[in-house]
Amino acid sequence: GAGVSQSPRYKVAKRGQDVALRCDPISGHVSLFWYQQALGQGPEFLTYFQNEAQLDKSGLPSDRFFAERPEGSVSTLKIQRTQQEDSAVYLCASSLAHTTTSGAKNIQYFGAGTRLSVL
Amino acid sequence: AQSVAQPEDQVNVAEGNPLTVKCTYSVSGNPYLFWYVQYPNRGLQFLLKYITGDNLVKGSYGFEAEFNKSQTSFHLKKPSALVSDSALYFCAVREAGGGADGLTFGKGTHLIIQP
Repeated sequence: GAGVSQSPRYKVAKRGQDVALRCDPISGHVSLFWYQQALGQGPEFLTYFQNEAQLDKSGLPSDRFFAERPEGSVSTLKIQRTQQEDSAVYLCASSLAHTTTSGAKNIQYFGAGTRLSVL
Repeated sequence: AQSVAQPEDQVNVAEGNPLTVKCTYSVSGNPYLFWYVQYPNRGLQFLLKYITGDNLVKGSYGFEAEFNKSQTSFHLKKPSALVSDSALYFCAVREAGGGADGLTFGKGTHLIIQP
């Protein structure tokens, strides 16, 4: 069965480089989320898509962070001019329904994450 | 604003003994509450949820959690621990019926089951 797939699993970037992280959600899932997990911390919300619409980007830490989901399935998180403080695991999650739905359709299923190290 | 507290960084339990991992939360309205488990180099795996209804929620691998509205708690429990339960556990909350779209997570609790 296909879960949430993220690539690459590991990314090393030099400070100032741009990076792109990919997320393939579970097929048919309407909602897609990006989270940032710093070492020793819980995941922190970055942004939310309902289909192709980015409805919430309140967690993006700066304008260097940009996410898109142009066809309502695959999503890309782009970080421009990476800084050392961007080093973290970036997690993608998807859920069957939009966030105003209650119940099991609202469960978020997570990918394995991309570990970004900025040197 | 919503928040989650997991007061214990680490919980040590002998195999076969009952375990409890504590979680308290804060939201403006009614909560949706979740427990996830994370194994090394893997993503978060859903364990169980509280949406509404029965305060005792049963989930995967024999885990259960009790929602206590007056104490704003959602502690994770298991009657008999296994060594394979050793992992990092996260409690998460989202306000029902609106509010933030994303989950708010606690810092996580390392559960160590000793043989």
